[in-house]
Amino acid sequence: QVQVVQSGAEVAKPGASVKVSCKTSGYNFIDYYIHWVRQAPGQGLEWMGIMNPLGGTTTHPQKFQGKVILTRDMSTTTVYMELRSLTSEDTAVYYCARESRGLRGMDVWGQGTTVTVSS
Amino acid sequence: EIVLTQSPGTLSLSPGERATLSCRASQTVGSNYVAWYQHKPGQAPRLLIHGASSRATDVPDRFSGSGSGTDFTLTISRLEPEDFAVYYCQQYGTSRTFGQGTKVETK
Repeated sequence: QVQVVQSGAEVAKPGASVKVSCKTSGYNFIDYYIHWVRQAPGQGLEWMGIMNPLGGTTTHPQKFQGKVILTRDMSTTTVYMELRSLTSEDTAVYYCARESRGLRGMDVWGQGTTVTVSS
Repeated sequence: EIVLTQSPGTLSLSPGERATLSCRASQTVGSNYVAWYQHKPGQAPRLLIHGASSRATDVPDRFSGSGSGTDFTLTISRLEPEDFAVYYCQQYGTSRTFGQGTKVETK
């Protein structure tokens, strides 16, 4: 069956980086984009960027350019999200989600990864 | 960037009642690429509607989406106890953005 499984919770210090993984299985990896979305405490959902596994290209809203780096490993069908120069405002739950090339919404989501930034 | 404004912020209703949620875009959403998600605490968001009006797989038919251009609506015809949650609209016609959410709470 289709699965999207994220790595576990992270605690990091301000100024550091974290890398969250999103392991996919049960479908053809290159047929779906992977998005990253976060939810800070008490806030709504915020889109952070998209990875096209076929060519490895990525797109981010301006807010996250240089802040978020997306990579993928074709051999393990895993997408990684590295978040740099952490501040307390990066404390949030981070989700990855897939979307088909037919653009029918984000239909399968990971379980979420809590990142806590604290000194 | 297309800004999505959802209203109301909170909707207080009883089970069995009808819920109407609005999502207004700051500019026309190309191809009516609007999706709706349900989000409950401690869970991942769940896709309900894509393409403004197409129900996602296994979504009950009490959920329906409508609209075009800049104005979109999610309707829940008769609220079930499990429907009380936060609902987000999202546009994917130009990049991606989410609305700020509407909380549907028990009256």
